[in-house]
Amino acid sequence: DADVTQTPRNRITKTGKRIMLECSQTKGHDRMYWYRQDPGLGLRLIYYSFDVKDINKGEISDGYSVSRQAQAKFSLSLESAIPNQTALYFCATSVRRGRTDRISYNEQFFGPGTRLTVL
Amino acid sequence: AQKITQTQPGMFVQEKEAVTLDCTYDTSDPSYGLFWYKQPSSGEMIFLIYQGSYDQQNATEGRYSLNFQKARKSANLVISASQLGDSAMYFCAMKGAGGTSYGKLTFGQGTILTVHP
Repeated sequence: DADVTQTPRNRITKTGKRIMLECSQTKGHDRMYWYRQDPGLGLRLIYYSFDVKDINKGEISDGYSVSRQAQAKFSLSLESAIPNQTALYFCATSVRRGRTDRISYNEQFFGPGTRLTVL
Repeated sequence: AQKITQTQPGMFVQEKEAVTLDCTYDTSDPSYGLFWYKQPSSGEMIFLIYQGSYDQQNATEGRYSLNFQKARKSANLVISASQLGDSAMYFCAMKGAGGTSYGKLTFGQGTILTVHP
C-alpha cells in the first residue's frame, strides 16, 4: 500500500467550480506540502504545513487554500477554479530530524499526483 | 531566495554510456541540501540522491552519483551505465536551512533524458 495517497487521481472540472484535492499519509510524518507541476516550470510550492497548527503560504498560494485536518491529512482547495490552474498536483511529506534540523538526509516523499483539468 | 537552474531541457544518451545532468543553484543559506528526483512517464516522483552542503564527499547511490562543486554552486547528477528505464524527467531541488527557505524544496525546471538502445 502507498504511504502517501492522493484523491482523486484525475479530475476534469469547469471554470468557477470549487474543487478539493485530498492527501493522506501513513508515514507518521509531521510535515506536509502541496506542489503543482507545469511543463517547463518544474514543481512549485503552493502551501506547506509543519504540524497541524502550522500552515504557511508557498510560492504560488493565490487562488488556493488548505486545511490540515489531522497529522495524516492535508487538503488543497480551489475555491473557484480557473483554466490556468490546470496542472499536475503533488502532495509530499517529510519528517523533521532533530531540534536544530541541521540539514541531513531528509527527503520529501511524494504522492502519485492528481491531474487536474479546468475547462 | 533560492534558485535552481537546469539548463538542459533534453538530453540523449546511448544505452550503457554515462550521462551528466547539469544543475546550478543559488542561495544565501550557509547550510542547505541538494536532491535529485526522477519522474518517469507514469508521473510519480522518485527520490534518487541527496547531498548536504557540509558533506565532505560526493554522494553516491548505486549508478547515481552527485558531482558537487560548492565553489561553483553546481550539483550535477551522473548516471553511469545508462539503461532504457532511465528515460525520464529529472529534477534537481534544494532545501534551505534558514529564514524563509527553511524546510522547503525549490525545484529546477527539469531535464528530459532519453536513453537510446
